[in-house]
Amino acid sequence: EAGVTQFPSHSVIEKGQTVTLRCDPISGHDNLYWYRRVMGKEIKFLLHFVKESKQDESGMPNNRFLAERTGGTYSTLKVQPAELEDSGVYFCASSRLRGANTEAFFGQGTRLTVV
Amino acid sequence: QQQVKQSPQSLIVQKGGISIINCAYENTAFDYFPWYQQFPGKGPALLIAIRPDVSEKKEGRFTISFNKSAKQFSLHIMDSQPGDSATYFCAASGTYKYIFGTGTRLKVLA
Repeated sequence: EAGVTQFPSHSVIEKGQTVTLRCDPISGHDNLYWYRRVMGKEIKFLLHFVKESKQDESGMPNNRFLAERTGGTYSTLKVQPAELEDSGVYFCASSRLRGANTEAFFGQGTRLTVV
Repeated sequence: QQQVKQSPQSLIVQKGGISIINCAYENTAFDYFPWYQQFPGKGPALLIAIRPDVSEKKEGRFTISFNKSAKQFSLHIMDSQPGDSATYFCAASGTYKYIFGTGTRLKVLA
């Protein structure tokens, strides 16, 4: 069974440009999460999808970030326009069930550098 | 109230020694406490997890100790091996999202 896959693994863009990150969750996992780790800090929750619906986007930093999950399969996270403080590692995770005791499986992350 | 405080930030242990990483939380609504292990270039992977109705859980060389009254939990790695060198994250959850600690970079010397 394939794990959570994220593309690209690295992205370097200039301030003001647009970047789109993609996440393919484990097949059959209705729950999809985006997290971000800024260097040296905690991994922070951004948002949660159940199928194609956003359940919680309380962690999204601002309206420059837009997440979608069309058809309830893969998800994209677009940053437009990117700012320097958006640099970090963006993780996607998925889980089959919703709930506190359910293991979330993480992708390898996308390292975003805004210069 | 949503924070999870993790220490130390980095840890160096001799092969065969015991590695101990500590975490503290504030929100008493948390009821699931996983530990994730992350190797360079890889995503975090679940190592071991505990619920607050038990005080200890052991899986192989890895043990979680949980102190509900103190709102603290810790990861003990017995007989630490160079292959255990990684970054370890504690987390807490009361719903579906995890609140992570800041991570501990463990290096086990051969």
